Amino acid sequence: GAVVSQHPSRVICKSGTSVKIECRSLDFQATTMFWYRQFPKQSLMLMATSNEGSKATYEQGVEKDKFLINHASLTLSTLTVTSAHPEDSSFYICSALEGDTEAFFGQGTRLTVV
Amino acid sequence: AQSVSQHNHHVILSEAASLELGCNYSYGGTVNLFWYVQYPGQHLQLLLKYFSGDPLVKGIKGFEAEFIKSKFSFNLRKPSVQWSDTAEYFCAVNAYNNDMRFGAGTRLTVKP
Repeated sequence: GAVVSQHPSRVICKSGTSVKIECRSLDFQATTMFWYRQFPKQSLMLMATSNEGSKATYEQGVEKDKFLINHASLTLSTLTVTSAHPEDSSFYICSALEGDTEAFFGQGTRLTVV
Repeated sequence: AQSVSQHNHHVILSEAASLELGCNYSYGGTVNLFWYVQYPGQHLQLLLKYFSGDPLVKGIKGFEAEFIKSKFSFNLRKPSVQWSDTAEYFCAVNAYNNDMRFGAGTRLTVKP
């Protein structure tokens, strides 16, 4: 199957700094990618839908100025957590659509803000 | 590290047929288990989850799953599928470190 690479897998940053997470489709083009966040002991929550060449669509309650999403090419979407705070510590995962039917997931990124 | 296996990559059924999608995981500790569905062109949606208690879990749209601890399994079932169930189904496991691990997914095609 197709491969989605998410980097980094783990990151620790200081409060107030920004962190960028990359999501790459390695062997297919993805016009649509999704970013999810998992709160402790809960299921995934969709944060935003990222479309190549256009602005991301954010879910209600997700701060677009805090979670910047850029989908500049058909193989790369990035999520930047700006001015991170400890409450942003979480597990973030992306998925990419191949065509319009099949989704592939990145490995996830564990963000810890200290 | 924990891993999740889904046995079937693509399942094709006729409407009204019964469905069972397999999911096995490899982790010996306490786990939370999930089944997600992704309809064509849409984002992931939670079908059902198991944290504790009754190992037979009922979810939305008539789906259910049974946690069998001795078999490390969490198979998804539906007695009678509909054309609208055509989608991709993902099993996921969440263990002590709270990171989710997904199976590779099973594409379900239901023929009208």
